[in-house]
Amino acid sequence: EVQLVESGGGLVKPGGSLRLSCAASGFTFSSYSMNWVRQAPGKGLEWVSSISSSSSYIYYADSVKGRFTISRDNAKNSLYLQMNSLRAEDTAVYYCARDAQYPRLFDYWGQGTLVTVSS
Amino acid sequence: EIVLTQSPGTLSLSPGERATLSCRASQSVSSSYLAWYQQKPGQAPRLLIYGASSRATGIPDRFSGSGSGTDFTLTISRLEPEDFAVYYCQQYGSSTGTFGQGTKVEIK
Repeated sequence: EVQLVESGGGLVKPGGSLRLSCAASGFTFSSYSMNWVRQAPGKGLEWVSSISSSSSYIYYADSVKGRFTISRDNAKNSLYLQMNSLRAEDTAVYYCARDAQYPRLFDYWGQGTLVTVSS
Repeated sequence: EIVLTQSPGTLSLSPGERATLSCRASQSVSSSYLAWYQQKPGQAPRLLIYGASSRATGIPDRFSGSGSGTDFTLTISRLEPEDFAVYYCQQYGSSTGTFGQGTKVEIK
């Protein structure tokens, strides 16, 4: 069974940093591109970042470019999101999601981790 | 960047009724790379439809998708109690993935 479990969310002050993790199991993690997708409270879904299976290709939404860094460790079956210079508008539930057979088609999602940016 | 606009914002229907949700793209979606997701409160989204009309694994056949180019539709033939949720369309197949703003299907 495919499982994606996010962790690392919490309350952080504006300008602060946070590192999210996503632990994957039930599939060959090193064969899939992975993503972070977020959802602000009461709002819709926003794709944040993607990383290819071997980390060769990395993409970011304009809203986070230069502040967030996606990475992965295939030996540990883990995906990460380093978030720096956090703003109030980064407050959201952050989901880890797996690419299906096409780029940015998400077939499995984690349960999400809440990041709150507030003073 | 392709902008996806969903309508209506909210659909109020009774169980057993037919639901028709619309997703319009600001430019043509290549190869019908259009997906639909369902999200219930407190849960992660679930993939329902991809390629505009192909059902994902385990999705009941009361869910169907259609359309091409810039106009796409998700139809739920007969609403079951568990179908009341928010539905998002999404274009994929490129380096980024854009979502529509969502349609809430609520119990009338």
